Amino acid sequence: DAKTTQPPSMDCAEGRAANLPCNHSTISGNEYVYWYRQIHSQGPQYIIHGLKNNETNEMASLIITEDRKSSTLILPHATLRDTAVYYCIVRGDSGNQFYFGTGTSLTVIP
Amino acid sequence: GAGVSQSPSNKVTEKGKDVELRCDPISGHTALYWYRQSLGQGLEFLIYFQGNSAPDKSGLPSDRFSAERTGGSVSTLTIQRTQQEDSAVYLCASSFRRGRVEPQHFGDGTRLSIL
Repeated sequence: DAKTTQPPSMDCAEGRAANLPCNHSTISGNEYVYWYRQIHSQGPQYIIHGLKNNETNEMASLIITEDRKSSTLILPHATLRDTAVYYCIVRGDSGNQFYFGTGTSLTVIP
Repeated sequence: GAGVSQSPSNKVTEKGKDVELRCDPISGHTALYWYRQSLGQGLEFLIYFQGNSAPDKSGLPSDRFSAERTGGSVSTLTIQRTQQEDSAVYLCASSFRRGRVEPQHFGDGTRLSIL
C-alpha cells in the first residue's frame, strides 16, 4: 500500500471550512484513498473514500487531484466536535488491513 | 443502525491471567478484523476473518494470542498468560462483502490494562 504524508497538526476556526491535505505520490491505479478520524478514546470513524472522482457525503468532501498524487478532505463547516486526529489511508485490493500513520491532529477553535 | 459492538469496554487483570475480548460486527458484514493500538501509537493489525476462509493470522504477535469467529458473526480474541506489554486498546472492525476496497467500520475498542 502507498505511503501517505500528512501535516502533524492544523487549527481551524469554528464554522469555517477545514481543508486537510494528504500526499500519496506513489499511489497505484487500483488503490483507493480513504479518510478516517479518531476522537479521543473512541475507535476510528470512517469518513469517506474515493478512487479518482471527487466524492461528497453528509460528513465531508474528498477532492483528488487529476494525477491522484494528492487529495484534500474538506469539512465544510467545522464544529468543536470535529476536533480529532484525521488519517489518510491509501489501500488497494491486496493485503487485509489498513495502515494508519500518525495522521493530522485537527483542533477546531471557538 | 447498530455499529460494531465490543465488550467489555474496559478490562483490568493481573499479569498471567487469560482474557477474552468480544466483537459483534455489523449485521451482514462478512469480513472482520482485529487491531490493537498502544498509547499514542498507530493501529497494529492482528488477524482477519473473511467468510468461511482460513483467517489471516499474520499479525498475531505470539502464540499466546488466538481468535475465533463462530457462525460467521461474533468473534472472540483470547490472550493467554497476559503480560504487561499486552496493555493496549483492542479494536475490532468489520466490512461488507468480499471486496477489500470496502471501508472498515470500527468499534470503540476494549481498553486492556495488565497489572
